[in-house]
Amino acid sequence: DTGVSQNPRHKITKRGQNVTFRCDPISEHNRLYWYRQTLGQGPEFLTYFQNEAQLEKSRLLSDRFSAERPKGSFSTLEIQRTEQGDSAMYLCASTGGRAGELFFGEGSRLTVL
Amino acid sequence: EDQVTQSPEALRLQEGESSSLNCSYTVSGLRGLFWYRQDPGKGPEFLFTLYSAGEEKEKERLKATLTKKESFLHITAPKPEDSATYLCAVLGRYGGSQGNLIFGKGTKLSVKP
Repeated sequence: DTGVSQNPRHKITKRGQNVTFRCDPISEHNRLYWYRQTLGQGPEFLTYFQNEAQLEKSRLLSDRFSAERPKGSFSTLEIQRTEQGDSAMYLCASTGGRAGELFFGEGSRLTVL
Repeated sequence: EDQVTQSPEALRLQEGESSSLNCSYTVSGLRGLFWYRQDPGKGPEFLFTLYSAGEEKEKERLKATLTKKESFLHITAPKPEDSATYLCAVLGRYGGSQGNLIFGKGTKLSVKP
């Protein structure tokens, strides 16, 4: 399978714990995005990388969230001191073509108890 | 502020019953309008990009059109496999350098046999 891969697919954690999600984009894609989606809502932009450089972060992104893309390949999204409001589907997407034409992974669903 | 509103929230059709989904948008300098399909528990799948008023794109039973204020996704003779949530997104001039999409909440389409 050469699509965007995300792990883990599901994560249940207790409030206050740290969690990390991994995204492996399509290999030739240099741009990688993280979005968050809650039930009944459309995806909400979190952050964007071009190669290894993080070029944009949403104003809504709390200081508890950090993302990296070492060597311009896979990316990780870490959430520290999780809160119940962090419960959502975290979607990763990549593209090597036109802006806005994104290839999404199947997402990592986070449940914070 | 860039904004996308989709209607209706949900639509139930009988197989073969054609209809349209609406996406109204407000954006500072439209760089592109995008339609995605999302199946339950999965990430969105890219369908179409529209760049300017009057443009149309077609794919199987789907046809997307664009005016200066809204876009329509026309579904002709739908089949049960067309059941999904259809998301509309815009990329504005000030929405980031490379793909900070603003998504609507989506229209959940159900097609009954």
